[in-house]
Amino acid sequence: KQEVTQIPAALSVPEGENLVLNCSFTDSAIYNLQWFRQDPGKGLTSLLLIQSSQREQTSGRLNASLDKSSGRSTLYIAASQPGDSATYLCAVNRGSQGNLIFGKGTKLSVKP
Amino acid sequence: DGGITQSPKYLFRKEGQNVTLSCEQNLNHDAMYWYRQDPGQGLRLIYYSQIVNDFQKGDIAEGYSVSREKKESFPLTVTSAQKNPTAFYLCASRAGELFFGEGSRLTVL
Repeated sequence: KQEVTQIPAALSVPEGENLVLNCSFTDSAIYNLQWFRQDPGKGLTSLLLIQSSQREQTSGRLNASLDKSSGRSTLYIAASQPGDSATYLCAVNRGSQGNLIFGKGTKLSVKP
Repeated sequence: DGGITQSPKYLFRKEGQNVTLSCEQNLNHDAMYWYRQDPGQGLRLIYYSQIVNDFQKGDIAEGYSVSREKKESFPLTVTSAQKNPTAFYLCASRAGELFFGEGSRLTVL
């Protein structure tokens, strides 16, 4: 059974710091992996989608990497800003028609 | 603008009542999903539909029902059989990448 773990559960950093959020999964046979951002009381916003054949994806200050063999993905945020404060979730897709398995998220707080 | 619209945003229900949450998308996606989010539990899949007039149970379908009569619409009914319905409900649709609505918060009084 696929399990997705995100550590740490919460992280507080000063503004301007570069940071890494971690996501691990138990079954390396994945179709793709998606990173989301969730603000309090809101829905999830898609940040990056990495296909199983890809090693990384970049969007602005965000870079997500994928290492299927070790069951890990990281989300790198460069030059963090207070507006980056939110909960970040990763989700693993089991197949093209399959359903996503979500981690419980990392709550990020960026202090001015 | 293309997106997913959930309504109502907030809903209060008395015990024993059924309630229906609306989810409409104009992204032309075939696949639609309903998730439940509880503090500390992460997102759990309730029901999903890959195509019109077809849907499957997710991990926590008991006490819920859905229909998929139109491609754009995937309403979720929370029945009185659901033991602990107070939660944040999220609808999503997908064509590769998964997109979410803004959610509906249901509180049972």
